[in-house]
Amino acid sequence: DSGVTQTPKHLITATGQRVTLRCSPRSGDLSVYWYQQSLDQGLQFLIQYYNGEERAKGNILERFSAQQFPDLHSELNLSSLELGDSALYFCASSSLGGPNEKLFFGSGTQLSVL
Amino acid sequence: GQNIDQPTEMTATEGAIVQINCTYQTSGFNGLFWYQQHAGEAPTFLSYNVLDGLEEKGRFSSFLSRSKGYSYLLLKELQMKDSASYLCAVRDMTTDSWGKLQFGAGTQVVVTP
Repeated sequence: DSGVTQTPKHLITATGQRVTLRCSPRSGDLSVYWYQQSLDQGLQFLIQYYNGEERAKGNILERFSAQQFPDLHSELNLSSLELGDSALYFCASSSLGGPNEKLFFGSGTQLSVL
Repeated sequence: GQNIDQPTEMTATEGAIVQINCTYQTSGFNGLFWYQQHAGEAPTFLSYNVLDGLEEKGRFSSFLSRSKGYSYLLLKELQMKDSASYLCAVRDMTTDSWGKLQFGAGTQVVVTP
């Protein structure tokens, strides 16, 4: 158990809908990362937060948004869902978000868009 | 941006040694990580290299050559439980001082009896 909690574990929804994925980092970790993993694209970096502020941005679509709250949990919002958004979404956390820190990953949310 | 290349799949016998190569291209390199991921599970940290050379940790070792943009992960005395995908990840500081951790597509290692 990495100490990172993601909910829900599975989510099935329809095209055009909006969903929210939730992540609680390890106790004491200030930095949260979101990654998308699909079969054909591997693990893609979406966005990183540190202590409530956005710190780095990857290939995150405009239909997606995220935030980190004062209690350090984070949410990833996916809207106007398309079939291609079906993937495993991982949240990870690290202590300070520094370049030499290893990431601890949650068990992921499997999103299926039908 | 950057490119991270690693083989798609490797097969080896229980008890053998397997070397997984990873090459990368980035102007803002600041560390290379290896993660292990079993099917349907979260990636877990294996090793970290930021300076040239070999880092050994039990049955697993990782090597880095920054001038060549090259790393390898060496798995010794393979066990069946080592069947998993091995992800090479590079910290890229090109566009921001915090650096993005970008992952390769992963190498699926299949260990046979």
